[in-house]
Amino acid sequence: DTGVSQDPRHKITKRGQNVTFRCDPISEHNRLYWYRQTLGQGPEFLTYFQNEAQLEKSRLLSDRFSAERPKGSFSTLEIQRTEQGDSAMYLCASSPQRGQPVMNTEAFFGQGTRLTVV
Amino acid sequence: AQSVSQHNHHVILSEAASLELGCNYSYGGTVNLFWYVQYPGQHLQLLLKYFSGDPLVKGIKGFEAEFIKSKFSFNLRKPSVQWSDTAEYFCAVNARSNYQLIWGAGTKLIIKP
Repeated sequence: DTGVSQDPRHKITKRGQNVTFRCDPISEHNRLYWYRQTLGQGPEFLTYFQNEAQLEKSRLLSDRFSAERPKGSFSTLEIQRTEQGDSAMYLCASSPQRGQPVMNTEAFFGQGTRLTVV
Repeated sequence: AQSVSQHNHHVILSEAASLELGCNYSYGGTVNLFWYVQYPGQHLQLLLKYFSGDPLVKGIKGFEAEFIKSKFSFNLRKPSVQWSDTAEYFCAVNARSNYQLIWGAGTKLIIKP
């Protein structure tokens, strides 16, 4: 399967613990996005990488959240001191860069990591 | 701020019925428009997209959508639905000037066999 891969698929953690999720984008895609989706809602943008540079962060991304993409390939999203409100599906997407304007391509999504904070 | 509104949260149709799902967005500038579908247990997949040109765009599986700029709308249509179209459908928009996709809340479509 050469699609976007996310690991783990499910994570249950106790409130206050730290969690880390991994995303492996499609190999030739240099753009990577993280979204969060709660029940009954569409995805909400969290952050965007172009290669290893984090170019945009949503105000939803509090200081407990950090994302990295150290070599411009896979990315990690860490949540520190988890809270029950962090329970959601965390989606990763990637897209290739094809000229301008900057977002003139569709994003390809992984299956997500479902986080439950108890 | 940009927002996307999908008018129906749940739609139930019989097979062979025609489908139209509404999507309206609020943003005054140039936008790209998308419809994504999520089948039960699967990831989000692109159905169709509009960047420029002909405002009537055709996607996979017989779906089409029409961009009406004056109405800020991008409604999804299919003339005859099948049981396999049971899924959740999301409309998404992004302004050409940034990287974010802004999403509607989704419409759950159930097709009765």
